Amino acid sequence: EAGVAQSPRYKIIEKRQSVAFWCNPISGHATLYWYQQILGQGPKLLIQFQNNGVVDDSQLPKDRFSAERLKGVDSTLKIQPAKLEDSAVYLCASSSAGTGYSPLHFGNGTRLTVT
Amino acid sequence: QKEVEQNSGPLSVPEGAIASLNCTYSDRGSQSFFWYRQYSGKSPELIMSIYSNGDKEDGRFTAQLNKASQYVSLLIRDSQPSDSATYLCAVNNSGGNKLVFGAGTILRVKS
Repeated sequence: EAGVAQSPRYKIIEKRQSVAFWCNPISGHATLYWYQQILGQGPKLLIQFQNNGVVDDSQLPKDRFSAERLKGVDSTLKIQPAKLEDSAVYLCASSSAGTGYSPLHFGNGTRLTVT
Repeated sequence: QKEVEQNSGPLSVPEGAIASLNCTYSDRGSQSFFWYRQYSGKSPELIMSIYSNGDKEDGRFTAQLNKASQYVSLLIRDSQPSDSATYLCAVNNSGGNKLVFGAGTILRVKS
């Protein structure tokens, strides 16, 4: 079974620039998550999709972050404009169902550095 | 109060010893609990899940859950240097649709 694919692996941008991350979940997984992990902290949920609908985006800074999951498969997360505090690893994960009893499978993440 | 709390460590144990990692959570209605292991520079990987009070064993790992005390722990027996990593506790909220992670405990196993 192919895992969760993410790209790029690393990205360095200047503040106020924009950036986009891509994620392709495990085939057949209906639920897709974007987490932000700042160094020394646990992952923080930014947005959760069930198929192509949003289940939870309560912690997504909507003035600068946006995400979409067209056709209920792959997803993109965009930051515009970036701030220094956005430097983090952005993890995409998928699960076969909701978080109740289905484990999350994580991709390798994208390490973003904002200078 | 944080939703999921862990001691950040580092917790240092000698090779062959038992490592004990602890986690407390605030949502009394939580039903699902997970332990993830994260090596430096890598993504989290699931090592244990537990849903009922008591112990659940899988190889060298034992997860313990006490819902009355809102406490979940992970025991690693016969600790190996390869177990050195950050261990993340994750708790599903009472609504059943949101997984909240603790900040993680750094474990160092010394050979």
